[in-house]
Amino acid sequence: DTAVSQTPKYLVTQMGNDKSIKCEQNLGHDTMYWYKQDSKKFLKIMFSYNNKELIINETVPNRFSPKSPDKAHLNLHINSLELGDSAVYFCASSSTGATSTDTQYFGPGTRLTVL
Amino acid sequence: GDSVTQMEGPVTLSEEAFLTINCTYTATGYPSLFWYVQYPGEGLQLLLKATKADDKGSNKGFEATYRKETTSFHLEKGSVQVSDSAVYFCALKVAGGGNKLTFGTGTQLKVEL
Repeated sequence: DTAVSQTPKYLVTQMGNDKSIKCEQNLGHDTMYWYKQDSKKFLKIMFSYNNKELIINETVPNRFSPKSPDKAHLNLHINSLELGDSAVYFCASSSTGATSTDTQYFGPGTRLTVL
Repeated sequence: GDSVTQMEGPVTLSEEAFLTINCTYTATGYPSLFWYVQYPGEGLQLLLKATKADDKGSNKGFEATYRKETTSFHLEKGSVQVSDSAVYFCALKVAGGGNKLTFGTGTQLKVEL
């Protein structure tokens, strides 16, 4: 049983294209996140959603648009892809409030390559 | 702002050697501290955590103690195995920050026979 799943695992596309990455968690968590890991392994948060509401929006280009149709899903759509968008994108989830264990659970990552 | 500084890698050790990976932090509030591990080709997993000063987090033979006076959370293991080869990330979270984790740059550990 995969706790946090992402699709696709690999994504290779041309500059200028639009692509989406999907994330689903079956842990019953109320908060989901997107992180970007660059080629040097540096991880930085991009967005977080709590109960479908945007909580964190770091300084990310507005070509990146997250969408949370329900608590269990957080998708990431990227318009007009650029070479610098090449990275591994990780989805994560956690529970907050009274049930919080202070632990974020990460998906396996989506390796995006922009040519 | 909040930041985490980790020692540069890669760190290469022989099996059964002692491991220390240094981590220091700067935080605007009172942080919780974490070590996450990323095995090749996988996502990150929580290794251990500590939420207040002098707390010791431990898991799978790894330990780290929250030292407020030195703003440090160094990771240690007495005897590493080849299976410990991975990238280790130190991270912090400050209350009221929307559960945002701020990560260090990661330290790659290679353990050889």
